[in-house]
Amino acid sequence: GAGVSQSPRYKVAKRGQDVALRCDPISGHVSLFWYQQALGQGPEFLTYFQNEAQLDKSGLPSDRFFAERPEGSVSTLKIQRTQQEDSAVYLCASSPLRGGSDGYTFGSGTRLTVV
Amino acid sequence: AQSVTQPDIHITVSEGASLELRCNYSYGATPYLFWYVQSPGQGLQLLLKYFSGDTLVQGIKGFEAEFKRSQSSFNLRKPSVQWSDAAEYFCAVGAGNDMRFGAGTRLTVKP
Repeated sequence: GAGVSQSPRYKVAKRGQDVALRCDPISGHVSLFWYQQALGQGPEFLTYFQNEAQLDKSGLPSDRFFAERPEGSVSTLKIQRTQQEDSAVYLCASSPLRGGSDGYTFGSGTRLTVV
Repeated sequence: AQSVTQPDIHITVSEGASLELRCNYSYGATPYLFWYVQSPGQGLQLLLKYFSGDTLVQGIKGFEAEFKRSQSSFNLRKPSVQWSDAAEYFCAVGAGNDMRFGAGTRLTVKP
């Protein structure tokens, strides 16, 4: 596609509910990143994929967070048993280069609100 | 540990005035440096990047940034701000997939 597409744009979840956030990167982009952006803060790294391999998941805040990219294109970030502190904007970014050292193209994000 | 500091949380400038947004970083090696802009409800858009070579880099929308190794700084500048430049600006530093973002500077433009 022309850009990085994320869905849904907005998600309201009740505490304890599971959610799945989708990212459709630019076609052919090798690297895919997930970031969490709390209100008034900069993006914080969650995880990184190179094709289908998850090379770095050091930023995932707990084992309730899980990400996958099974065919090396679309990625899903899943949050189980959501908590209020999970409320944030979740940004997906992709890059044609391994490691994304040339800068990223970001999607518009999914705003998750846990009530 | 690597870190990025944007000392100014919020800056207000008049339309047509010059702009400088500050960014200081701490990184173990020579980093890649980036500036991104985020409009409300949108993702981040890459303005410019520095990898090596000329320390003054030009970006989109008339922005430029200067890398000063001695000061560990990468400040963003624009000679004449437009109303449409009002947004949140993020400095980022990293190498490979290790990208760290500052907390951002919100720019308000007065008519």
